[in-house]
Amino acid sequence: DAGVTQSPTHLIKTRGQQVTLRCSPKSGHDTVSWYQQALGQGPQFIFQYYEEEERQRGNFPDRFSGHQYPNYSSELNVNALLLGDSALYLCASSLVVLPNYGYTFGSGTRLTVV
Amino acid sequence: AQKITQTQPGMFVQEKEAVTLDCTYDTSDPSYGLFWYKQPSSGEMIFLIYQGSYDQQNATEGRYSLNFQKARKSANLVISASQLGDSAMYFCAMREVGHNAGKSTFGDGTTLTVKP
Repeated sequence: DAGVTQSPTHLIKTRGQQVTLRCSPKSGHDTVSWYQQALGQGPQFIFQYYEEEERQRGNFPDRFSGHQYPNYSSELNVNALLLGDSALYLCASSLVVLPNYGYTFGSGTRLTVV
Repeated sequence: AQKITQTQPGMFVQEKEAVTLDCTYDTSDPSYGLFWYKQPSSGEMIFLIYQGSYDQQNATEGRYSLNFQKARKSANLVISASQLGDSAMYFCAMREVGHNAGKSTFGDGTTLTVKP
């Protein structure tokens, strides 16, 4: 049973560019959440998608946007990249009917902005 | 707003001994969930244990137990019989429950090193 799959694993981009990160949730999960984890810090909530809609959003600018497809997979898009966007981006999947269960996380995408 | 505080940046423990990782939280929500995750150097966060705010008993999962003291707003993780593979970063997190369940708030983590 595959867990959460994220691609790519590593990415280097230049300031001002745009990037798309992808996530396939664990089989049977319907909710996808995205987190940004800076070095030495805990993950920060970006947003959560359920039924192809953004359900909740953290304190991130509109440069961060997302999408969820009918098969529950999701994308995170970041426009006009800044050096401060360099971080590990984690995708987490869950079941909306089981909010008390922990997330299943992917291994993340390490984004470096130069 | 929810807040998680982990005051121990790093902890050391001898193999086979028990260790407690501290976590305090702050929230105005009457109903919430508390979680612990393990993050090895590979980066993938692994869910360890969950405690609901209305649960009367402390949660246990194998060698992991959660020492929940609601009045003190603490949710410490206890790992018994530490193993070398327990060396990792540990994060305490909180999530609202109910129909607004979504965002989880994480602490900044504690790095645990198990010595042979």
